[in-house]
Amino acid sequence: NAGVTQTPKFQVLKTGQSMTLQCAQDMNHEYMSWYRQDPGMGLRLIHYSVGAGITDQGEVPNGYNVSRSTTEDFPLRLLSAAPSQTSVYFCASSYIASYNEQFFGPGTRLTVL
Amino acid sequence: GNSVTQMEGPVTLSEEAFLTINCTYTATGYPSLFWYVQYPGEGLQLLLKATKADDKGSNKGFEATYRKETTSFHLEKGSVQVSDSAVYFCALIDFPKLVFGKGMKLTVNP
Repeated sequence: NAGVTQTPKFQVLKTGQSMTLQCAQDMNHEYMSWYRQDPGMGLRLIHYSVGAGITDQGEVPNGYNVSRSTTEDFPLRLLSAAPSQTSVYFCASSYIASYNEQFFGPGTRLTVL
Repeated sequence: GNSVTQMEGPVTLSEEAFLTINCTYTATGYPSLFWYVQYPGEGLQLLLKATKADDKGSNKGFEATYRKETTSFHLEKGSVQVSDSAVYFCALIDFPKLVFGKGMKLTVNP
């Protein structure tokens, strides 16, 4: 049982490049989400999904796309990276019925130059 | 909207010192409250939770009590260890998201 996994752990991009941050969970959780963590700002929700084929926006969705084709995977896409997207990104998952029990991945540290 | 305000630190303590991290919240109703901990280089882990007023969450020697009168959920530990060095986040549920405080970095020296 690997829990929530994220790849890569570190990434450096140039402004305008695109990339996909991967997130996978092996707990059959319906709910998955992406947060970004910035110094002095806590964590803010980017996008979330309550099941395969269902996604919705969080607090800070601009510049990010998501899809949920399977229960296990919830990739986050940056279409045209900007320096403002330099951050640490965390994926989280849970059962809908026990939303209190969120499991977080180890994070991806992204730097956009 | 719902929000969480917590001590931000950073705080440095000696081993075996008493720890209190203040957390207050603003919310409609009585949402579930949480403390998450982030050890260096790792993701967030749920430390403890309380789902209703007067509930006390506890784990690893840490405790926090849901106080609706003072809208608080302060984290306490009687004797900290070097291994408690981490960033601590207070949070509440505001579906579909967790609302986090800004986090407080704790360093415990031997």
